[in-house]
Amino acid sequence: NAGVTQTPKFQVLKTGQSMTLQCAQDMNHEYMSWYRQDPGMGLRLIHYSVGAGITDQGEVPNGYNVSRSTTEDFPLRLLSAAPSQTSVYFCASTDGTGLETQYFGPGTRLLVL
Amino acid sequence: EDQVTQSPEALRLQEGESSSLNCSYTVSGLRGLFWYRQDPGKGPEFLFTLYSAGEEKEKERLKATLTKKESFLHITAPKPEDSATYLCAVQAGSNYQLIWGAGTKLIIKP
Repeated sequence: NAGVTQTPKFQVLKTGQSMTLQCAQDMNHEYMSWYRQDPGMGLRLIHYSVGAGITDQGEVPNGYNVSRSTTEDFPLRLLSAAPSQTSVYFCASTDGTGLETQYFGPGTRLLVL
Repeated sequence: EDQVTQSPEALRLQEGESSSLNCSYTVSGLRGLFWYRQDPGKGPEFLFTLYSAGEEKEKERLKATLTKKESFLHITAPKPEDSATYLCAVQAGSNYQLIWGAGTKLIIKP
């Protein structure tokens, strides 16, 4: 199993540009989520999904969209990039919404100029 | 407001020098406390889940303990390969979203 994969690994955007961060998992997990990680702060939840066709907002959803058309894929879209969105983005999946282990991808480092 | 605080922010130890990392939390109705390890440039990797005060779990040189207000990650006779950032997270009440601490960066010098 590849686990959780993310692409790209690194991206530079100009303010106002849009892009999609890709996330895929091959563990047949229902629950997937997107986090951002900033220096000196804990991981913050952006959006999550409890199954195909179902998504919801986390703690910091503004400026981001998600969709979940399949169990495997959970892309994160930046609508109009801003310097405040410079961060490292992690996708995670788990086999439930309870106390199960979360499996993280390797991350996407995004720089918005 | 639910909160998770980790201390210290960074810890430098000599190889073999045992110490502890702290994760203090203020939440209503703790359901579980998680420890993850994060290596530079990688995603967090699961270490332990603790469910109730008094519980302890061990893995190699690491031992996690839990009280009603905090958790400790004890590292015994650490090696350079234990160098990483250690993250703590809690799940509380009916909200299954995790609340994460900012992490402790552990550096073990040979």
